[in-house]
Amino acid sequence: QVQLVQSGSELKKPGASVKVSCKASGYTFTSYAMNWVRQAPGQGLEWMGWINTNTGNPTYAQGFTGRFVFSLDTSVSTAYLQISSLKAEDTAVYYCAREMIILTGYYYYYYMDVWGKGTTVTVSS
Amino acid sequence: EIVLTQSPGTLSLSPGERATLSCRASQSVSSSYLAWYQQKPGQAPRLLIYGASSRATGIPDRFSGSGSGTDFTLTISRLEPEDFAVYYCQQYGSSQYTFGQGTKLEIK
Repeated sequence: QVQLVQSGSELKKPGASVKVSCKASGYTFTSYAMNWVRQAPGQGLEWMGWINTNTGNPTYAQGFTGRFVFSLDTSVSTAYLQISSLKAEDTAVYYCAREMIILTGYYYYYYMDVWGKGTTVTVSS
Repeated sequence: EIVLTQSPGTLSLSPGERATLSCRASQSVSSSYLAWYQQKPGQAPRLLIYGASSRATGIPDRFSGSGSGTDFTLTISRLEPEDFAVYYCQQYGSSQYTFGQGTKLEIK
């Protein structure tokens, strides 16, 4: 079945880096873009951006430029999120989510149909 | 950036009742770009509705979506115990996604 399996929880000190992985299975990895979504403790969902799994070209949402890097290893159907110079406010659950784009008649539909279970990143000294 | 505002923030209802959740956009959104998600504590979001009114695979028919332009609604016709969760609307526009802040549906 289609699934996204994310790496385990991370505890990091301020200033360190972290790399979260998201391994896809059950579908052709390069046929669907991958999105990243952040959820701070007790807060809502925040879209971080997406990566084109064909070209590897990333697009970052406002507020997620500079310290955040999306990458791929298509040989193992895996997307990565790397965060550098970690701050306490980076403490959150990070989700990867497959983007579905379908064309029906004249209309394109955009949504995220499959989600990973999330990776908790805790930044604390 | 299109801002989505969900109301109410918290909705307290009993099993068997009807729930109506609202999502209002700061500017017009294409219906085909509007989705709803359910999130339970400690779980990832789950797609419920896409294209404003199309149920995702496996979603019970007590869930329905409607609306157009700037006003969208998620309706749960008869609440089941497992429906108490947080619900988010999401839109795609100008090559980016935004989420509403969520509505918490709690047991009264």
